[in-house]
Amino acid sequence: KNQVEQSPQSLIILEGKNCTLQCNYTVSPFSNLRWYKQDTGRGPVSLTIMTFSENTKSNGRYTATLDADTKQSSLHITASQLSDSASYICVVSGRNFGNEKLTFGTGTRLTIIP
Amino acid sequence: DAGVTQSPTHLIKTRGQQVTLRCSPKSGHDTVSWYQQALGQGPQFIFQYYEEEERQRGNFPDRFSGHQFPNYSSELNVNALLLGDSALYLCASRIYGQTRETQYFGPGTRLLVL
Repeated sequence: KNQVEQSPQSLIILEGKNCTLQCNYTVSPFSNLRWYKQDTGRGPVSLTIMTFSENTKSNGRYTATLDADTKQSSLHITASQLSDSASYICVVSGRNFGNEKLTFGTGTRLTIIP
Repeated sequence: DAGVTQSPTHLIKTRGQQVTLRCSPKSGHDTVSWYQQALGQGPQFIFQYYEEEERQRGNFPDRFSGHQFPNYSSELNVNALLLGDSALYLCASRIYGQTRETQYFGPGTRLLVL
């Protein structure tokens, strides 16, 4: 069964500090992995998308890494800001008989405090 | 360039009623997917529409049905509402076949069933 597990479930850090969120997956065959940021009550917004051959991808203060061998990804946030408070969702895309199937993690709830 | 739009933003219904949610995809996108997101959970895939046909379906009962129009906009219909249908309903769009590109989510419709 395809699964995406994220850790921690929730995280509270001080403004200006760095943090790393983790994503482990068991999706096969693998197509790509995406990180989304979701503000409360809003739709997810894409941060990064990585295919099998990509190890790292950055988007401003967000840097995602991918280890396709161990099926792990991380999202590193540098110099956190209050606006980074949100849920971060890891989504893994697999292909089944030509159809793309997305498997969503339950997200990490990040709270930045001043 | 308008992104994905959804209407209404909020909706309150009672058990047994029927509801219709609407989605307009991002300009240039032809594929629309619908998701249900319960509080504190990741989005769950309901179904996907392309060329006015349902192409994929998640584990949702027949009470959940949809439609796609020639202009690529889409509707999600839910019949015989249950309390458990209360959730944020997300619409996402992309270009069919371009699975290496991320899909864009709308802001969602918050449905409350009393």
